[in-house]
Amino acid sequence: NAGVTQTPKFRVLKTGQSMTLLCAQDMNHEYMYWYRQDPGMGLRLIHYSVGEGTTAKGEVPDGYNVSRLKKQNFLLGLESAAPSQTSVYFCASSYGRLPPYQETQYFGPGTRLLVL
Amino acid sequence: AQKVTQAQTEISVVEKEDVTLDCVYETRDTTYYLFWYKQPPSGELVFLIRRNSFDEQNEISGRYSWNFQKSTSSFNFTITASQVVDSAVYFCALSGARYNFNKFYFGSGTKLNVKP
Repeated sequence: NAGVTQTPKFRVLKTGQSMTLLCAQDMNHEYMYWYRQDPGMGLRLIHYSVGEGTTAKGEVPDGYNVSRLKKQNFLLGLESAAPSQTSVYFCASSYGRLPPYQETQYFGPGTRLLVL
Repeated sequence: AQKVTQAQTEISVVEKEDVTLDCVYETRDTTYYLFWYKQPPSGELVFLIRRNSFDEQNEISGRYSWNFQKSTSSFNFTITASQVVDSAVYFCALSGARYNFNKFYFGSGTKLNVKP
């Protein structure tokens, strides 16, 4: 099993350009998440999905869009990149269980994005 | 509100010393989960432990141990006889079972430097 994979590993964008980050998991997890990690701030949730065809906003969703057309894939899009979106992006996935049970999230290797 | 505080930004120890990483949380959930992740210099996030709020037993795994105290809202992590390979950033995270279910709230991390 590859676990959670992310493509690309590193990317440089100019302000205003668009791009899509791809996350794939082969663990048959229901839930998937996108986070960003900035120095001194830990990880912050951007968007998440609790199943194929569903998405929801997290803590910092502005400037990003997501899609979950297939259960194993979760795409993060930047329509018009800004320097404030320079960050390391992590994808995560977990089994889906109903409250009050919370499963562990497993993370991909990260994508480093630099917006000039 | 859900919040995780890791007040120690950076800790330096000499190999074989014991070290404790502090984690204090706030939540209005009565049932919740706490996690610790390790982020070595290579950048990936490695899951270490998950603990639910209705199990207050402390846990030991090799050189690692965790002290969960509901009365003080703390979930501290101790490494005994530290090694250079323990050098990493360690994150504590919280997820509520009712409010903001499926959302993880991360602390800002503690960077541990273990010197030979």
